[in-house]
Formats: sequence, C-alpha cells, structure tokens
Amino acid sequence: NAGVTQTPKFRVLKTGQSMTLLCAQDMNHEYMYWYRQDPGMGLRLIHYSVGEGTTAKGEVPDGYNVSRLKKQNFLLGLESAAPSQTSVYFCASSHRGSTEAFFGQGTRLTVV
Amino acid sequence: GIQVEQSPPDLILQEGANSTLRCNFSDSVNNLQWFHQNPWGQLINLFYIPSGTKQNGRLSATTVATERYSLLYISSSQTTDSGVYFCAVGLSYNTDKLIFGTGTRLQVFP
Repeated sequence: NAGVTQTPKFRVLKTGQSMTLLCAQDMNHEYMYWYRQDPGMGLRLIHYSVGEGTTAKGEVPDGYNVSRLKKQNFLLGLESAAPSQTSVYFCASSHRGSTEAFFGQGTRLTVV
Repeated sequence: GIQVEQSPPDLILQEGANSTLRCNFSDSVNNLQWFHQNPWGQLINLFYIPSGTKQNGRLSATTVATERYSLLYISSSQTTDSGVYFCAVGLSYNTDKLIFGTGTRLQVFP
C-alpha cells in the first residue's frame, strides 16, 4: 500500500517554463489537496478537490491550475513558472468529511 | 479567517527531557491533526485528535475543543524526535481543508 505518491521529487525550472506535478493515491479517498510550504512557514492550501471532475481554490491559487480526471490522481500545473513559486509542494488525500489526511513525500521545486 | 497559533516556536532539549507543545485555534473545529516533519522534510502523521486524549508510545495528545486548544506531550525525548511539529485544524463549517499552524521547531541534543 503506497499511500500518496508524488512525482517528481525534485525539479529545477527556468522562469517561464511550464510543468505538471502528479499526485496519486491508492486509498480510494474522495478528497485531494495541493499545499505549498515555504521556509519557516506552515503549509498553505493551493487547490483542492472533493471528487472526480471537481476542483476548488484554496488560500494561494494564483499561478496554478489543477485537474482531477480520475479519482486517484490530482495534477498541479504551473503554466509559466516564476521564482516566487520556488517551494516544496505537498499533496494530501482524505476520505469525505472530517477525517485524517495523509501526505505525500513532497516535491522540491526551484525556479531560476 | 481562523488563526492557528503554536507555541513555543522553538524548543531545545537534552535527550531524556519531557516537553509540551501547544496549539491554540480561534474557531470551532471538528478535525485536528498533529504532524512531525522530520529533517528530510517528510510529514508524518502523529495523531488525528479532534477531541479527547490519545497516546502512542512516548507521545500523547489532548484536545479540548470547547476551549480551543490542543497539547502534544513528548516524554523521554530522543534525538530522532528532532524536527518541526505542526498542528492542523479543519473547520466545523468547512471540513474540506486543513489549516496549518507555523510549527514548533524541536532540537534534541544527546
């Protein structure tokens, strides 16, 4: 049972490039989330999804897009990367309602 | 929006010491989790504890939802306990999201 898996683990982008981060979960969770963590701070919610085909904005959505075409996958896209998007990105998933969330191992993204 | 405050921000201990970490929140919650972020950046689930008390080995946690706080106790600390401890809450009226505190950085020295 792999839990929540993020791909890739590390990436360096040049300003203006695009990329997609993939999150996959095998726990049949309805809810999935993308967070970012900046140095010395807690995690902040970017976007989330409460089910296949649905997405919603979180606290810091600007510059990102997401898609949830399959229940087990949640994709985070950066169309035109900026240095301010240098961060560690975490994906999480949980069952519907107030239940325990499980996190992936993180993706360290550097935009130069 | 809801405020999630953790204290202390930093804690330095010698191996074997006990400690208490606190999480205060400003609104009603029905989801509260404690995480340990190890030095490699991994987020490890410690407790899912919207109310009551739980124990797991040397760690225990108590949440008093009516008074809007939670405590994480670490007894007989070990160097492997080092890292950042995060409290995260889910709101009673919006259960889709976890809101994180800024964490307590713990360093345990031998």
